[in-house]
Amino acid sequence: AQSVTQPDIHITVSEGASLELRCNYSYGATPYLFWYVQSPGQGLQLLLKYFSGDTLVQGIKGFEAEFKRSQSSFNLRKPSVHWSDAAEYFCAVGAYAGGTSYGKLTFGQGTILTVHP
Amino acid sequence: SAVISQKPSRDICQRGTSLTIQCQVDSQVTMMFWYRQQPGQSLTLIATANQGSEATYESGFVIDKFPISRPNLTFSTLTVSNMSPEDSSIYLCSVAGTPGQPQHFGDGTRLSIL
Repeated sequence: AQSVTQPDIHITVSEGASLELRCNYSYGATPYLFWYVQSPGQGLQLLLKYFSGDTLVQGIKGFEAEFKRSQSSFNLRKPSVHWSDAAEYFCAVGAYAGGTSYGKLTFGQGTILTVHP
Repeated sequence: SAVISQKPSRDICQRGTSLTIQCQVDSQVTMMFWYRQQPGQSLTLIATANQGSEATYESGFVIDKFPISRPNLTFSTLTVSNMSPEDSSIYLCSVAGTPGQPQHFGDGTRLSIL
């Protein structure tokens, strides 16, 4: 079964500082990986996705993530955080290898990001 | 990406009652899913809504408690039946054009049970 671990429940950074949110996954085949952001009172917005190819993927709002198969990781980064980035971030792994799990997403526990001015 | 509308956006209900949540998409989509997000928790998949057939439920979720309909490729409903305070959650609909595409989410329905 697939699983996702986000080791950091809560991260606080200063505005303008760099950011890295950690994500480790477990999946028996080539994973499809996603990062979503959820602002208070909102649904989830897709930041970026990895399906195959280049292991460094660019997303919206200046975010990027790097897929490292050897470490089973898909960490999210941003070089300079803005106050508007304060939100909860979810890493997810998708099952696209057929069978009964086809198309399902499994989410990590989420990381709450607080940005200090 | 598809525009997803969920109704109602929030509700406060009495225990023992039922509530039906609607999910409308502005384009035809192959896959629709329903998730639950309990307070302070991550998202848990309830079921995959299958067009024209019974939904596929995840472990721990049953049709009697969470009946789902999907009459066409743009619309689905989730009913939360015989509600108790433990059902207080955000319920989210998501869609994907094909299984290989990322899922896009509605804004969710915030449900509180008194």
